[in-house]
Amino acid sequence: AQSVSQHNHHVILSEAASLELGCNYSYGGTVNLFWYVQYPGQHLQLLLKYFSGDPLVKGIKGFEAEFIKSKFSFNLRKPSVQWSDTAEYFCAVNAKYGNKLVFGAGTILRVKS
Amino acid sequence: DTEVTQTPKHLVMGMTNKKSLKCEQHMGHRAMYWYKQKAKKPPELMFVYSYEKLSINESVPSRFSPECPNSSLLNLHLHALQPEDSALYLCASSQGRLSGVGQPQHFGDGTRLSIL
Repeated sequence: AQSVSQHNHHVILSEAASLELGCNYSYGGTVNLFWYVQYPGQHLQLLLKYFSGDPLVKGIKGFEAEFIKSKFSFNLRKPSVQWSDTAEYFCAVNAKYGNKLVFGAGTILRVKS
Repeated sequence: DTEVTQTPKHLVMGMTNKKSLKCEQHMGHRAMYWYKQKAKKPPELMFVYSYEKLSINESVPSRFSPECPNSSLLNLHLHALQPEDSALYLCASSQGRLSGVGQPQHFGDGTRLSIL
């Protein structure tokens, strides 16, 4: 069975600071990887996904993530955060041909203006 | 706005009531999902329907009964719920497996359920 570990539960940054949120997964086979964001009072939205090809994937709003297979990691990055990035971020994984999506515990990001 | 519509947004019910949660999508997706999300926790998968057939039941108690009347609709029938069932119930949809791998799930706003 898959499992996902997110390293930080709460992160506080000032505007313009760089962001990196850690995500490691555990699964014996090939996976698809996702980052979702949940802004306050809103539904879960897809930030970006990886399923094959270039391990550096770019998503919406300037976010990117790098899949490092040897480390079972899929860390999320943004060079310069904005106050509007305040939200909860979830890393998620499913098996390559499966549709059971397993979420990490989430990281709450607060950006101070 | 999300393309997955859930109704009602809020529901308060007693332990002996019967109610239903509804979910609708018009994106042509052939996989639909129910998740349960407790406060400060990630969503946890309950059920998956693939091409209108139940494909995954994550050992959910029988007081929760899913139904997929057609490819656009997903219901969750509730009966004799317990206070610990109070949570946000999320519906999601994705393209079916025949559309290839890596299809992301699109989530609705959820129904916030409170059991008295």
